[in-house]
Formats: sequence, structure tokens, C-alpha cells
Amino acid sequence: DAMVIQNPRYQVTQFGKPVTLSCSQTLNHNVMYWYQQKSSQAPKLLFHYYDKDFNNEADTPDNFQSRRPNTSFCFLDIRSPGLGDAAMYLCATSREGGGEQFFGPGTRLTVL
Amino acid sequence: GQSLEQPSEVTAVEGAIVQINCTYQTSGFYGLSWYQQHDGGAPTFLSYNALDGLEETGRFSSFLSRSDSYGYLLLQELQMKDSASYFCASRSAGNMLTFGGGTRLMVKP
Repeated sequence: DAMVIQNPRYQVTQFGKPVTLSCSQTLNHNVMYWYQQKSSQAPKLLFHYYDKDFNNEADTPDNFQSRRPNTSFCFLDIRSPGLGDAAMYLCATSREGGGEQFFGPGTRLTVL
Repeated sequence: GQSLEQPSEVTAVEGAIVQINCTYQTSGFYGLSWYQQHDGGAPTFLSYNALDGLEETGRFSSFLSRSDSYGYLLLQELQMKDSASYFCASRSAGNMLTFGGGTRLMVKP
């Protein structure tokens, strides 16, 4: 089945220790998104890509970076995680022309 | 800027009908989407309204009034499995979504 896959599902890191979250998709969508969702809050867009064209939301902290080496894969790098970065990180994809966004199951990040 | 308001919590009984309202103030508005999210799960798409009126998909319907900057999600014949959070989201250029705060629906027997 075509889908959006995120690894790992649960990630524990230490304060200040870099961490990378990964996302892959078999939908062949050219738009990919990274969202941060804290408990009982709405998903908040961090970045999105049109193909390799990177778009950073204005209020995304500099601590967060992203890479998209090809259509199928996208990575979220958190250079120096703080306690406030503990959250669920959701990857999503869509076709360029619009339509629904397809979400992966998320990676829950814990920062100790 | 973009902002969407929806009730934080709604409770209903099995078999009932519930309506979750969403008002929005957004620029570059293309349409209103609804997503369902179970605890610990990913948001899943329910419906999208680009034009005024009602869209029906099985037990779920969604309505949009652009002139009133208002929409709602209607859930009929509620089932226990419908207990989840429901997010309205405005769609803007480039298929960007801005989510409302979410409505936690609790269905009781």
C-alpha cells in the first residue's frame, strides 16, 4: 500500500544532543511537509518542500533544519534539542496541485 | 495571519448527531479541510470544501459559508470509534494548511 513512513516511532535524546528524524513516502508526491505537534495542540508547520525547493516557516527556530535528498525521503534535523522541543513530529505529503495531505504516524520525541 | 476557532471539547452519546463549528480569519483562503486524529495517531483527511454548501461522505458531512467565514463538520449516527480530535484547517496557496486548535469529541455509551 502507498503510504508515508516515519522512523523511528519513538526517539529519546538528551538535552543538546543532535537528533535526526526520517520520513519516506511511496506516494510519489512532490510536496512534503514537517509539522510539530505538542500535546493537545494543533499541528504546526515547520517546513515544506516542493520537489527540492525548500520553504522555511518564518517562526521555525534555527535549531531545526531539513534535508530532502530525493523525492521519497525527507529528514528533520534538530541540532541542539531543548526540553521545549519534546513533541510529536509529523511528516505529510501531497500532490503539487492540492488535495489532501497524507500524514505519517509521527515520531514522538522525548528530550531528557 | 491565519486563525481558526473551534470548540475545545464536545461530548455526545452513541447514535446521536454532533456538529463541530469552525470560524476562520485567514488571507488567501482556498477552502476548509477537516482532519480526524485519534490519540497517538496521525491526522487523517475527512473532507474538503472549496465552495459554499454541504459535502456529504457517509456519516460525515461538512459545510462551508465563505461569506460568514464559517464551516462545520456534522457527524451522524455517532459510534464509540468516533471519539477523537477533529481539526478544521484552512487551505491557502501551495496547498498549505493552517490548523485550528482541535475539538476533542468524546462519545459516551
